[in-house]
Amino acid sequence: KQEVTQIPAALSVPEGENLVLNCSFTDSAIYNLQWFRQDPGKGLTSLLLIQSSQREQTSGRLNASLDKSSGRSTLYIAASQPGDSATYLCAVPSGAGSYQLTFGKGTKLSVIP
Amino acid sequence: AAGVIQSPRHLIKEKRETATLKCYPIPRHDTVYWYQQGPGQDPQFLISFYEKMQSDKGSIPDRFSAQQFSDYHSELNMSSLELGDSALYFCASSRGRPSTDTQYFGPGTRLTVL
Repeated sequence: KQEVTQIPAALSVPEGENLVLNCSFTDSAIYNLQWFRQDPGKGLTSLLLIQSSQREQTSGRLNASLDKSSGRSTLYIAASQPGDSATYLCAVPSGAGSYQLTFGKGTKLSVIP
Repeated sequence: AAGVIQSPRHLIKEKRETATLKCYPIPRHDTVYWYQQGPGQDPQFLISFYEKMQSDKGSIPDRFSAQQFSDYHSELNMSSLELGDSALYFCASSRGRPSTDTQYFGPGTRLTVL
């Protein structure tokens, strides 16, 4: 059974800092990994999708890396802004060929002005 | 760009009542997923459909049923509602099987059971 762990559970940084969020998963037989953002009481916004054949994906100030063999992914946020404050979740398919995503419990990020 | 549409956005029901949640996927998306997110919890997969057939099943209670229609929209039917069913219910859609595409999530339906 796929298990996803995110560290840290919460993070508070001053505006302008660069930061890294970590995600680890137990079953490396994945075909992709997704990072999502969720604002309180709101829906999930997809930030980045990394295919298993890729090692990195970039979108603006966000960069996600994937090391499938070690079961790890990182989300790097450059020059953080107060608007980045949200919960960030990573999700992977629950098994080979699975449709369902298994989510981590998220990292709650607070960027202090 | 068109997004996943869910209705209603908010729903309040009494215990033992029935609720129906609707999901309209992004145009040309043929796969629909349902997730349940309890307060302070991560989303839990319930069920998915590809081309109107059930493709995967997760922790969906027997009191719940779902289907995907010919126009690809999906409905989640929930009967004999319990207090513990209070949650945010997300629908997501994507293309292909198995999905190598991003799952795009709707805004969710917040269900409150009193």
